[in-house]
Amino acid sequence: KNQVEQSPQSLIILEGKNCTLQCNYTVSPFSNLRWYKQDTGRGPVSLTIMTFSENTKSNGRYTATLDADTKQSSLHITASQLSDSASYICVVSGGNQFYFGTGTSLTVIP
Amino acid sequence: NAGVTQTPKFRVLKTGQSMTLLCAQDMNHEYMYWYRQDPGMGLRLIHYSVGEGTTAKGEVPDGYNVSRLKKQNFLLGLESAAPSQTSVYFCASRREFLSAHTDTQYFGPGTRLTVL
Repeated sequence: KNQVEQSPQSLIILEGKNCTLQCNYTVSPFSNLRWYKQDTGRGPVSLTIMTFSENTKSNGRYTATLDADTKQSSLHITASQLSDSASYICVVSGGNQFYFGTGTSLTVIP
Repeated sequence: NAGVTQTPKFRVLKTGQSMTLLCAQDMNHEYMYWYRQDPGMGLRLIHYSVGEGTTAKGEVPDGYNVSRLKKQNFLLGLESAAPSQTSVYFCASRREFLSAHTDTQYFGPGTRLTVL
């Protein structure tokens, strides 16, 4: 069964600290993996997109990694800011289908 | 470019009432999608369209209908609203597939619907 699982479900960190979010998937065939940021009351916005051949992709303070062999991805946030408080959703596409994780809710506190 | 827009932003309905949610995109995308998002669950696909005049069922289509009369618009209808349809609804669009490197969905801001 094609699934996307994210951990942790929620996370609270202090401003300025780093954190890593995890995404494990069982989707096959695989086309790409995207991380979205969803602010409260807003629609998801794409942060990074990675294909099978890419190990790392950065977008400012966000760095995503992909291990296609173990079917795992991570999103690392460096020097967190209050504005990073949001839900982060991992989406895997394959066979013209999209599979969504349930998201990690990140709260950055001062 | 406005991207993907949704109307209305909020709505409260009584059980049995009907309504239509409008999604519009100005990126000339072929594909459009309607999702619902509920607490503790990932986005779930209701219906989608691969082009003007075509629609197809997603994971949770019951109680909803859709139409894609124009390429830029995708309408989601609730004929007889039920409390179980209380949710946040997101529309998304996507261009035709060119490369896995650029294949991305663009989401609208959402419509928060409450059915009493």
